[in-house]
Amino acid sequence: QVQLVQSGAEVKKPGASVKVSCKASGYTFASYAVHWVRQAPGQGLEWLGWINAAYGNTKLSQKFQGRVALTRDTSATTAYMELSSLTSEDTAVYYCARTYTEEFDASDIWGQGTMVTVSS
Amino acid sequence: EIVLTQSPGTLSLSPGEGATLSCRASQSVSSNYLAWYQQKPGQAPRLLIYGASSRATGIPDRFSGSGSGTDFILTISRLEPEDFAVYYCQQYGSSPQMFGQGTKVEIK
Repeated sequence: QVQLVQSGAEVKKPGASVKVSCKASGYTFASYAVHWVRQAPGQGLEWLGWINAAYGNTKLSQKFQGRVALTRDTSATTAYMELSSLTSEDTAVYYCARTYTEEFDASDIWGQGTMVTVSS
Repeated sequence: EIVLTQSPGTLSLSPGEGATLSCRASQSVSSNYLAWYQQKPGQAPRLLIYGASSRATGIPDRFSGSGSGTDFILTISRLEPEDFAVYYCQQYGSSPQMFGQGTKVEIK
């Protein structure tokens, strides 16, 4: 079936970086975009950006420019989100989600989420 | 950026009752690119409605969306036990994509 499976929970120290993976299956990976959204404990949803799985071009929320890198490996049908210079405010569940077009489309399939904890 | 304000924050209702959730945008949402998601504890969001009024695949017809411009509504005609959850609206017509803060539908 169509699914996105994310990597496991991470615990990082302040100032470190984290890289989360999102493996797609059940559909043509390169025909869709992958978005990244995070949710701090007990809070709402926050959009980080998207990557075009075919061409690798990206668009990031201005808030995360310079700190987030979105990449993909088409042969592995996997997208990655790397967040650097972590602080306690980055503690959140990070989700990947697909859309048919990069923009102007809602996310119909979501990964299960990856908990990232930043703590000294 | 477009700010989405959802109301009420919490809705306390009984199974079988109807629910009306509101999402108001700080400026007009381009081409009604407005979605609604349901989220249960420990789970990822689930797409219910896109394009303000189109139901996603597999979504029961008790869920309906309406509205345009800056004012949007999600209606649940008769609440089933599995409908008690948090609901988020999202605008995806302009960057950055934004979500509302959520409405919790709880059992009364």
